[in-house]
Amino acid sequence: ETGVTQSPTHLIKTRGQQVTLRCSSQSGHNTVSWYQQALGQGPQFIFQYYREEENGRGNFPPRFSGLQFPNYSSELNVNALELDDSALYLCASSSDTDQPQHFGDGTRLSIL
Amino acid sequence: GQQLNQSPQSMFIQEGEDVSMNCTSSSIFNTWLWYKQDPGEGPVLLIALYKAGELTSNGRLTAQFGITRKDSFLNISASIPSDVGIYFCAGQDAGGTSYGKLTFGQGTILTVHP
Repeated sequence: ETGVTQSPTHLIKTRGQQVTLRCSSQSGHNTVSWYQQALGQGPQFIFQYYREEENGRGNFPPRFSGLQFPNYSSELNVNALELDDSALYLCASSSDTDQPQHFGDGTRLSIL
Repeated sequence: GQQLNQSPQSMFIQEGEDVSMNCTSSSIFNTWLWYKQDPGEGPVLLIALYKAGELTSNGRLTAQFGITRKDSFLNISASIPSDVGIYFCAGQDAGGTSYGKLTFGQGTILTVHP
């Protein structure tokens, strides 16, 4: 059984640029959630997608957006990057919205 | 954003000792989960708890879902060097538009001396 995979593993961008992060969910999982983890902190919920629809959103501005595809893989897009967006971005999948979430190893995003 | 109160922040123990950490919240959660995160990796699920008062074990790990649904603890018995890492508690909302959302504690950094 393949787990959650994320790409790329590392990314360096400059302020004002746009970025797309990708996530392949675990086999059999229809729900994908995205989290931002700053250094030394616990992950913060960005949003969740269930069967291609946004199911809930945390306290992040609209420049954070997402997509879920028919195969349940997902993208996180961030526009107009700011220095504070530097963080580890984690994707988690689950077999339903209220089931335990399993995480990928994340994308480390650095903004210069 | 909202975070759970997790304690202690860090622990330094000798191999073979038992470890206890806990998490409290001002909000009720439907599910409590415990994760372990190693450097450069994502959190790995250790234990999931679904009912108030539930006590669940996974090998040397034991966790409990508090009766009030606002707290949980994790115990590790007979620690070994590979237990080193950051342990996070997470609560899953009971309802509302974000009921799939996990709210995490700040983490407990565990160091085990051989």
